[in-house]
Amino acid sequence: SQQGEEDPQALSIQEGENATMNCSYKTSINNLQWYRQNSGRGLVHLILIRSNEREKHSGRLRVTLDTSKKSSSLLITASRAADTASYFCATDRTGANSKLTFGKGITLSVRP
Amino acid sequence: DAGITQSPRHKVTETGTPVTLRCHQTENHRYMYWYRQDPGHGLRLIHYSYGVKDTDKGEVSDGYSVSRSKTEDFLLTLESATSSQTSVYFCAISELRDTGELFFGEGSRLTVL
Repeated sequence: SQQGEEDPQALSIQEGENATMNCSYKTSINNLQWYRQNSGRGLVHLILIRSNEREKHSGRLRVTLDTSKKSSSLLITASRAADTASYFCATDRTGANSKLTFGKGITLSVRP
Repeated sequence: DAGITQSPRHKVTETGTPVTLRCHQTENHRYMYWYRQDPGHGLRLIHYSYGVKDTDKGEVSDGYSVSRSKTEDFLLTLESATSSQTSVYFCAISELRDTGELFFGEGSRLTVL
């Protein structure tokens, strides 16, 4: 079964609005990463948060991690049409020997 | 962009034929991975390598083999392709063992008829 489960599966918002995506996981982790995938392309790394961190920012991205609830959220502020893509969380599980486990992804559509 | 090249980018083959996908990197990264991406399943790890001639299985390794004779090349072989192996295959590389982000290639779309 997937280690990371994203929620919602699909999200449609208006340009300028904020987009919030959630990821839940099952076992202890070393870190959690978020990736973006544009249609027909490979995945691109967005941000990494370690298990001892609670919040991290990168430009318009804000990631939080709650290890007690085994969950993370990705917030994209002031969304743009170019943010339209699929977003994946990936977990580096403790003892997994550098193998990332990906969720099924969230499809984000930003309407101009 | 990380220097990762996958070939072929598209391939159509018939059931029972052997297929080899190639991943070539120019970054000299130690770790290389093969994932497959299917609707409803996200990305699943097939095999990975942590050095020349050092490989290990992922969660969906049945029906696949890999080889890494040089740092820059990681080959994925389907000895006898089946329709269930129709998928998009992604190669990824990483430098850092425990915290490394992955850099992905553009993918190889394989259709097995």
